[in-house]
Amino acid sequence: GAGVSQSPRYKVAKRGQDVALRCDPISGHVSLFWYQQALGQGPEFLTYFQNEAQLDKSGLPSDRFFAERPEGSVSTLKIQRTQQEDSAVYLCASSGSGGRLIEQYFGPGTRLTVT
Amino acid sequence: AQSVTQPDIHITVSEGASLELRCNYSYGATPYLFWYVQSPGQGLQLLLKYFSGDTLVQGIKGFEAEFKRSQSSFNLRKPSVHWSDAAEYFCAVGTSGTYKYIFGTGTRLKVLA
Repeated sequence: GAGVSQSPRYKVAKRGQDVALRCDPISGHVSLFWYQQALGQGPEFLTYFQNEAQLDKSGLPSDRFFAERPEGSVSTLKIQRTQQEDSAVYLCASSGSGGRLIEQYFGPGTRLTVT
Repeated sequence: AQSVTQPDIHITVSEGASLELRCNYSYGATPYLFWYVQSPGQGLQLLLKYFSGDTLVQGIKGFEAEFKRSQSSFNLRKPSVHWSDAAEYFCAVGTSGTYKYIFGTGTRLKVLA
């Protein structure tokens, strides 16, 4: 596609519900990243995939957070038993390189509100 | 520890005035530096990047930034601001051989007509 797309754009969940956030990276991009952006803050790294391999998940805040990219393209970030502190914008980014740091292309984000 | 500081949370300028947004970083290695802009409800758009070479880099939308190693700074500038520049601006740092960005907390720019 022309850019990184994410769905849904907005998600409201009741505390305790599970949610799944989808990211479609730029076609052919090897690297995929998830970030969490709390209100008034900059994005913070969650996890990184190179193709289907999750090479770094050090930023995931708890074991309620799980990400996958089974075929090396689309990725899903799942949050189980959502808590109010999970409310944030979740950004996905992709990059054409295989690990080397070059610019990342960001999607519009999914705004998650946990009530 | 790596960090990025954007000291100004909010900046207000009049349309047509010049702009400078500050960014300071703390990093042991040679940094890769980025400026991104985020409009409401939008993702991050890359304005410019510095990897090496000329310390004054030109970006899109008339923005430029200057890398000053002695000051650990990478300030963003624009000679004449347009109303459409109102947005949030993020500075980010990374390093060769890694893939992580460290972002600052952002500066929200308001433009007065």
